[in-house]
Amino acid sequence: GQNIDQPTEMTATEGAIVQINCTYQTSGFNGLFWYQQHAGEAPTFLSYNVLDGLEEKGRFSSFLSRSKGYSYLLLKELQMKDSASYLCAPMDSNYQLIWGAGTKLIIKP
Amino acid sequence: DTAVSQTPKYLVTQMGNDKSIKCEQNLGHDTMYWYKQDSKKFLKIMFSYNNKELIINETVPNRFSPKSPDKAHLNLHINSLELGDSAVYFCASSQGSGETDTQYFGPGTRLTVL
Repeated sequence: GQNIDQPTEMTATEGAIVQINCTYQTSGFNGLFWYQQHAGEAPTFLSYNVLDGLEEKGRFSSFLSRSKGYSYLLLKELQMKDSASYLCAPMDSNYQLIWGAGTKLIIKP
Repeated sequence: DTAVSQTPKYLVTQMGNDKSIKCEQNLGHDTMYWYKQDSKKFLKIMFSYNNKELIINETVPNRFSPKSPDKAHLNLHINSLELGDSAVYFCASSQGSGETDTQYFGPGTRLTVL
């Protein structure tokens, strides 16, 4: 079957760095997306990885290891506005996104 | 300029009623989606639709039906609403493959069935 595993909740301090891990199992693979969702709002696109390695976009970086079925999202210089849920979503062989429940990130001053 | 818009934002209705949620995208995308996000925050794909193919998640009851008057619109019609239909429904759209399959979401419609 298809499965996504992410921590349910994480807490970090403003200005710090946090890494949100995601392991997945899918039928085929066409890349992996990370989305951010603030409470009561729609998910918004953060990153896409299809090749192994690290993709950096400003304060956010995303890493992928296809052989391990593993990805992480790295957030640096955390700001209060980064408090949100972060959704890992691999794309299967039918180009369907497989969604987990996401990781709720709480930032404390 | 809202890329993906949905109406209404909130919908409160009685069990047994029929209701529709509208979705429009002005991105020129070919593919549109409907998702249900329940209280546990899982996003569950209900339908994906482009001008060639409708893909239905087999777990979706046939009380739910997508209707697409044109490629910029994908409306969701729900018959005989049940309490368990209460959730937030998101419309999304995408174009292409790979990174261009990035899905852009509408603001969501919070449906409450009483």
